[in-house]
Amino acid sequence: QLQLQESGPGLVRPSETLSLTCTVSGGSISSSSYYWGWIRQPPGKGLEWIGSIYYSGTTYYNPSLKSLVTISVDTSKNQFSLNLSSVTAADTAMYYCARLRTLFSPTDAFDIWGQGTMVTVSS
Amino acid sequence: DIVMTQSPDSLAVSLGERATINCKSSQSVLYNSNNKNYLAWYQQKPGQPPNLLIYWASTRESGVPDRFSGSGSGTDFTLTISSLQAEDVAVYYCQQYYSTPITFGQGTRLEIK
Repeated sequence: QLQLQESGPGLVRPSETLSLTCTVSGGSISSSSYYWGWIRQPPGKGLEWIGSIYYSGTTYYNPSLKSLVTISVDTSKNQFSLNLSSVTAADTAMYYCARLRTLFSPTDAFDIWGQGTMVTVSS
Repeated sequence: DIVMTQSPDSLAVSLGERATINCKSSQSVLYNSNNKNYLAWYQQKPGQPPNLLIYWASTRESGVPDRFSGSGSGTDFTLTISSLQAEDVAVYYCQQYYSTPITFGQGTRLEIK
C-alpha cells in the first residue's frame, strides 16, 4: 500500500529557507507514471496548491509562489522535496505531500496524502 | 486563476437528513473534448489530511460510502450526503484541476444539528 511521509524542521526563522522532504513507500516514484505534489494549509484556513513534479523532474508551480519555490525529486531515495525561500509568518502552515491520481497527469485530484508536517515561521 | 467559491460556509444538519454543499467555479471546468468536469471533492476531519471523495465531479473514489454523491457541470457543482451520519462531521472542499494553478474552495464546515 502506497504511503507518503513528510519530514523536515518544525520551526524556520523568517527570511530563511523552508526545506521539506516527502518519502514514498510501498511503491516506486520512478517506475510509476504519476505526478507528485505539495499542498499547504495555514492554521484554521483552506488548502493551497504549491506545485507538482514528475519523476523526470518536470515541474509545475503555483504562480503566486513560483519565484520562491523549488520542487525536486530524488528517485534513488524515492523522495521528492520542497524548498521555499525567504519565508515569512504567512508561510506558517501544515504542509502536505500527495499523489495526483491519474497517470501522466500534472493536473488532477490528489488521491493519496501524507499526514502532513506543521511548519512554524518565527524568530 | 480559476476561483472556487463554496456555499454555505457552514451547515448544520440532523442525523439521517440530507446535506447539500455547493461549489461554483469562476469559469467552466468542463473539457468539451472528453465531456469531463475537472472537479473533485474532499472531506477533512480534524487532525487529518483531506480525503478524496469524488472526482470527475460525480465519480466516487473507491471505498467511499454511496451516501456521498456529486453532481453538476460547467461552473456549478453539488456534493450531497443523502443521510448524514455522525462520522460525516468534517470540512468539505471542492477542487478544480482543469488548469494550473490547481485551486480549492474555501471549505464548508458540516456539523450535526
